[in-house]
Amino acid sequence: ELKVEQNPLFLSMQEGKNYTIYCNYSTTSDRLYWYRQDPGKSLESLFVLLSNGAVKQEGRLMASLDTKARLSTLHITAAVHDLSATYFCAVGDSGGGADGLTFGKGTHLIIQP
Amino acid sequence: DVKVTQSSRYLVKRTGEKVFLECVQDMDHENMFWYRQDPGLGLRLIYFSYDVKMKEKGDIPEGYSVSREKKERFSLILESASTNQTSMYLCASNNDYSYEQYFGPGTRLTVT
Repeated sequence: ELKVEQNPLFLSMQEGKNYTIYCNYSTTSDRLYWYRQDPGKSLESLFVLLSNGAVKQEGRLMASLDTKARLSTLHITAAVHDLSATYFCAVGDSGGGADGLTFGKGTHLIIQP
Repeated sequence: DVKVTQSSRYLVKRTGEKVFLECVQDMDHENMFWYRQDPGLGLRLIYFSYDVKMKEKGDIPEGYSVSREKKERFSLILESASTNQTSMYLCASNNDYSYEQYFGPGTRLTVT
């Protein structure tokens, strides 16, 4: 059974600081997703990582994937208040897009001015 | 832009009622998914479908069924709603080539 663990589950940080959210998963997978969710809203796709060593960046967010360690990280650089949200990682457990995803419990991020 | 719509944003039903949640996507995607989201648990997969009339159980299918009669529409059915099915329900879709799943706005269901 595929398990996905995120940590931390809650993070309060100040603007301008850097921090990393970690996502560990238990079995081999070929795809790792990061989503953002604002309160009362649906999920917004941030990154899809499909290979070992993949790194993607969008603004102040950078995601990476190490399939050997079964670890993905979401790094926040010089945080700003607008990045406050809940961040989820999710893993697909087989090849192809037809299978559902297994999600972590989410990291609730608060960035204080 | 990909658009996934759900029939209701908020729904209140009584215990024992039959409940239908509808999801429609406009991008001709083969695959559609139903998840439920509960605080502290993340999202959990209920059912998915990779083609018309095809369905597969996810991690928590008990108490639910689904229907996919047309490619663009995927329905989640609660045969006899119970209070432990109070939750946020999210529909998603994708095709076999992009991997990325696109989510609808969600339906917050309350069963009293």
